[in-house]
Amino acid sequence: EVQLVESGGGLVQPGGSLRLSCAASGFTFSSYSMNWVRQAPGKGLEWVSYISSSSSTIYYADSVKGRFTISRDNAKNSLYLQMNSLRAEDTAVYYCARDDGSYSPNRYWGQGTLVTVSS
Amino acid sequence: DIQMTQSPSTLSASVGDRVTITCRASQSISSWLAWYQQKPGKAPKLLIYKASSLESGVPSRFSGSGSGTEFTLTISSLQPDDFATYYCQQYNSYPVAFGQGTKLEIK
Repeated sequence: EVQLVESGGGLVQPGGSLRLSCAASGFTFSSYSMNWVRQAPGKGLEWVSYISSSSSTIYYADSVKGRFTISRDNAKNSLYLQMNSLRAEDTAVYYCARDDGSYSPNRYWGQGTLVTVSS
Repeated sequence: DIQMTQSPSTLSASVGDRVTITCRASQSISSWLAWYQQKPGKAPKLLIYKASSLESGVPSRFSGSGSGTEFTLTISSLQPDDFATYYCQQYNSYPVAFGQGTKLEIK
């Protein structure tokens, strides 16, 4: 069974940093690209970042470019999102989601981890 | 970047009703469109991919159609479990983009 479990969320002050993790199991993690998607309270879904299986290709939404860094450790079956210079508008539930290849939707999602940016 | 526009934002309907949600892309995305259902406090669930392909395990009352820039999600006969928020997503190119969502409420 495919499982994605996010962790690392919490309360952080504006300008602060946080590192999210996503632990993957039930599939060959190193064969799949991964995404981070977020959802602000009461709002819609917003794609944040993408990383290919070998980390050779990375994309970011304009709203986080230069502040967030996506990475992965295939040996540890883990995906990460390093978030720096956090702003109030980064407050959201952050989901990791598996990419099933080129031109594929996100079939598998984690349960999400809440990040709150507030003083 | 491709923008996705969903309508309506809110839809009130009754059990047994047939409902349709529309999604428009700002440029052609061929058939690279997905529909998700999300319930409060839960992750999105994939319903439809490639515009009209039903995800395994999803009831056949859900159907999708369209190509290019105009797409629809239809629920043929609403069930109590269907009251949720629905999102379209284009995955033709990065950045992938979601519609703003349609909240399906009980009338």
